[in-house]
Formats: sequence, C-alpha cells, structure tokens
Amino acid sequence: EDQVTQSPEALRLQEGESSSLNCSYTVSGLRGLFWYRQDPGKGPEFLFTLYSAGEEKEKERLKATLTKKESFLHITAPKPEDSATYLCAVQGVGGGFKTIFGAGTRLFVKA
Amino acid sequence: DTGVSQDPRHKITKRGQNVTFRCDPISEHNRLYWYRQTLGQGPEFLTYFQNEAQLEKSRLLSDRFSAERPKGSFSTLEIQRTEQGDSAMYLCASSLEREWGEQFFGPGTRLTVL
Repeated sequence: EDQVTQSPEALRLQEGESSSLNCSYTVSGLRGLFWYRQDPGKGPEFLFTLYSAGEEKEKERLKATLTKKESFLHITAPKPEDSATYLCAVQGVGGGFKTIFGAGTRLFVKA
Repeated sequence: DTGVSQDPRHKITKRGQNVTFRCDPISEHNRLYWYRQTLGQGPEFLTYFQNEAQLEKSRLLSDRFSAERPKGSFSTLEIQRTEQGDSAMYLCASSLEREWGEQFFGPGTRLTVL
C-alpha cells in the first residue's frame, strides 16, 4: 500500500538558518509527488509537483528535490512567515488519482 | 472566481445525527476530492469525482459516508448516524484534469460530534 513518512515532526529554526525537510515514500509506480503548505485553520496550499527522480523545482526560498525513495524540501534563509506545516503527498499509477498525504512537518521560524 | 468554498465552516452535532456538507469547486475544475484531517495528521483521502462520476472511494470509508456531485458542479458529503470518531476537519479540493497534480483546497468544515 502507498505510504508517506515525513521527518522531523517539528523543526524550530532561527531566521536565516537553512535546513531540509524529509519525505520518504513507498508507492507502486510514482505518478507524482507533491509538496503543500498548510497554515493553521486553513486548507493546504499547493507548492510543487515532482514527477521523476532527479527532478528539482524552486520557488522563492524553497527548493524541492526527488529521488526514487524520498524527497527533500530545502528551505534557504527562512523568514518567520515561512512558519507553517509542510505536507508531502504522492499519487501512484496503481491508485487512480487517490492522493496519499504524510503527517507533515511543523516548521517554526523565530525572528 | 474566489476559489473553493465549503459550507458550513463549523458544525456541532449530537451523536447519531446526520450531517451534510457542501463544496463548491473552482468553476472550470472537473475533478473534486474529499479528505478528512484530524489534529496533527495530514489529509486522509475519502473519495474523488471526475465530473459527476465518483471514481474512487477509500476502503476506510464506512457505509455511513456518501458523496454526490450532481451535474458535475458542487458536491455534498453526508455522514449518517455520526459517531464521536467522525469529529475532524473535512476538506474539499478541486483540480483540472490536465493539471491533476495541483489541487486547490477549500477552507474546510470542522465537525464536532458530542
């Protein structure tokens, strides 16, 4: 069965302190891996889709990378407004368009 | 278009009652998804539609849950005989078929079952 595991559960950074979030996945044929951001009390907001190993995508201070078993979300010089929960999700080719989400990493950036 | 909307935003009900939630997707989006999210967890897939056809339903979903999308527009999610374990945030999302990876989420309906 398709599965997504994110680590760490929570991450506390000082403003400007770069770090990475990890997403390990098990899927029977990857159709796509997604990163979303979720603020408290709101629905998730789409960030990236990655389709194949070796692919990278960037948006402002965020960069997502993909291997055959995991994805990383690199945060460069974070600001307090980057504080949120970051969710990783996958769709497998054998699961229709069913999307499986991980539990997320809660990021806190202190000024 | 202002995005995906959900109604109500909050619902408090007593155990055993039926509840119905509504989702209005972005108008040109033909795919619509329902998820359930509890505190500290990611969204859990419930079901999805392409136009008016319900193409997949989670095996975790009991027979008390039913969803419809008449005419491929808005969707409703009904929970019959609610239980305390049904308390959660219910999220709706929509996407274009050709942009299936990018789902736009609504603000959710928070259900509390007393």
